[in-house]
Formats: sequence, C-alpha cells, structure tokens
Amino acid sequence: NAGVTQTPKFQVLKTGQSMTLQCAQDMNHEYMSWYRQDPGMGLRLIHYSVGAGITDQGEVPNGYNVSRSTTEDFPLRLLSAAPSQTSVYFCASSYVEGRGTNYGYTFGSGTRLTVV
Amino acid sequence: GIQVEQSPPDLILQEGANSTLRCNFSDSVNNLQWFHQNPWGQLINLFYIPSGTKQNGRLSATTVATERYSLLYISSSQTTDSGVYFCAVERVSNYQLIWGAGTKLIIKP
Repeated sequence: NAGVTQTPKFQVLKTGQSMTLQCAQDMNHEYMSWYRQDPGMGLRLIHYSVGAGITDQGEVPNGYNVSRSTTEDFPLRLLSAAPSQTSVYFCASSYVEGRGTNYGYTFGSGTRLTVV
Repeated sequence: GIQVEQSPPDLILQEGANSTLRCNFSDSVNNLQWFHQNPWGQLINLFYIPSGTKQNGRLSATTVATERYSLLYISSSQTTDSGVYFCAVERVSNYQLIWGAGTKLIIKP
C-alpha cells in the first residue's frame, strides 16, 4: 500500500518554464489537496478536489492549475514558473466522514522546487 | 479568515523533559488536528481533536472549543520527537485546513 506518491522529489526550473507535479493515491480517498510550505510558515492550500471532476481554489491558487480526471490522480501544473513559486509542495489525500469532517490525512513526501 | 497562532515558535529541551505546545484559533471550526513534521519533512497526523482530550502513548491533546485553543502535551521527550508540530483547523464551510506556523521542537540527548 503506497499511500500518496509524489513525483518528482526535486526540480529546478527556469523562470517562465512550465511543469507538472504528479500526485497519486491508492486509498480511494475522495478528497485531495495541494499545499506549499515556505520557510517558517505553515502549509498553505493551493487547490483542492472533493472528487473526480471537481476542483476548487484554496488560499494561494494564482499561477497554478489542477485537474481531477480520476479518483487516484491529482496533478498540479505550474503555468509559467516564477521565483516566488520556489517552495516545498505537498500533496495530501483524505476522506470525509460523519458531519463532513476530513479524516485520514495522508501526505506525500514532498517536492522541493527551485525557480531560478 | 481564520487565524491560527502557535506558541512557542521554538523549544529546546533535554531528553526526558515534558512540554506543552499551544494553538489558538480565531473562529469556530469543524475540527482541529495536530501534525508532526519530522526533520526529513514527512508529515504525520497525530490527533483529530475538535474538543475534549485524547491520549496516544506519551502524547496527549486537549481542545477547549468554546475558548478556541488546543494544547499538545509531550511527556518524557525522546530525540525522535524532534521536528515541527503544526496545528491545523478545518473551516466549517468547505473542509479547508488553515495551518499555524508551527512549533519547532529540538530534543537534545
């Protein structure tokens, strides 16, 4: 049982380049999310999805796109990389239970992205 | 939006010591979670605790929702407890997690 798999682990981009961060989970969780973590700060939500075909913006969505064509996969696309997007990116999955609270949060191992 | 404040920002202790980490939040929430991020960056959920008290081994957590704070207790600290402890609250409206800035804990042998 792999949990949440993120690739790549490290990436260096030049300003203006685009790329896709991959995220896959094998727990059949309906909820998936992307966060960025900057030094000295907590995680900030970029985009999230409550199920296949449904995505929505988080706190810091600008410069990023997502799609959710299957339950398992939730890729994050950087459209035109900027130095301000240098960060560590985490993908997470969870499930909704009871009165609508998310449980079972499982995080990928992270992608360290540097934009030069 | 909801504000989440954690204290202290940094904590250095000797192995065997006890510690209390605090999380204050500014509005009603669906749920509150504590996470541990180890020195290699891996994030692990410790507790889901919208109210009341839970214990798991040497760790316990208490949330007083009416006063909008939560406490994480670590007893008999071990070097493997080192890392950053985050508190995250879930918005009532849309399941989004809002994270505090974390408490960096260093346990010295």
